[in-house]
Amino acid sequence: DTGVSQDPRHKITKRGQNVTFRCDPISEHNRLYWYRQTLGQGPEFLTYFQNEAQLEKSRLLSDRFSAERPKGSFSTLEIQRTEQGDSAMYLCASSHGTPGENIQYFGAGTRLSVL
Amino acid sequence: DAKTTQPNSMESNEEEPVHLPCNHSTISGTDYIHWYRQLPSQGPEYVIHGLTSNVNNRMASLAIAEDRKSSTLILHRATLRDAAVYYCILILNFGNEKLTFGTGTRLTIIP
Repeated sequence: DTGVSQDPRHKITKRGQNVTFRCDPISEHNRLYWYRQTLGQGPEFLTYFQNEAQLEKSRLLSDRFSAERPKGSFSTLEIQRTEQGDSAMYLCASSHGTPGENIQYFGAGTRLSVL
Repeated sequence: DAKTTQPNSMESNEEEPVHLPCNHSTISGTDYIHWYRQLPSQGPEYVIHGLTSNVNNRMASLAIAEDRKSSTLILHRATLRDAAVYYCILILNFGNEKLTFGTGTRLTIIP
């Protein structure tokens, strides 16, 4: 068990470019979450997968954002036509437990800077 | 979703106990109380959770008021490594799975 892994750790891109982040959850965790965190704020929920099914999406997830979890393993988060407002830390978490007692394990995050 | 209220910041001396309060006056009977913390430049880390009874684990203790409208995270002997932002979060059993973070309490440990 190596924990939740996110790649890359840092990404600098120019406005208008597309970026893709990867998250590898703890093996056998069937739930995977994406959050976004801006400076001085707590993380905000973006989306959630149970196995390969995307069960909930936040209103924060505009049409430029898409997330996938093929085969219920790793997940990718893609941002198309990046904007400066997309600059943030993108966090991935995974879990496997009873609802309510569902403990989430977070990765170290991918810090995105849009110039 | 039921909301939580925490002080923005607290300070504590190293090697002394720390009591971090959280108010959740609108908690429902099926809400679990979870605590996470976030060390600088890291993702959040689970600390402890409970429903009605007080809970202890290797990291901390959670004291839950009898009416469940407040709780306190207790670090028994703070170290410099405990300096972090601590989040108190309510999770609805049989409800949505997401964590709703507030701004948390920034804990500073004084050597």
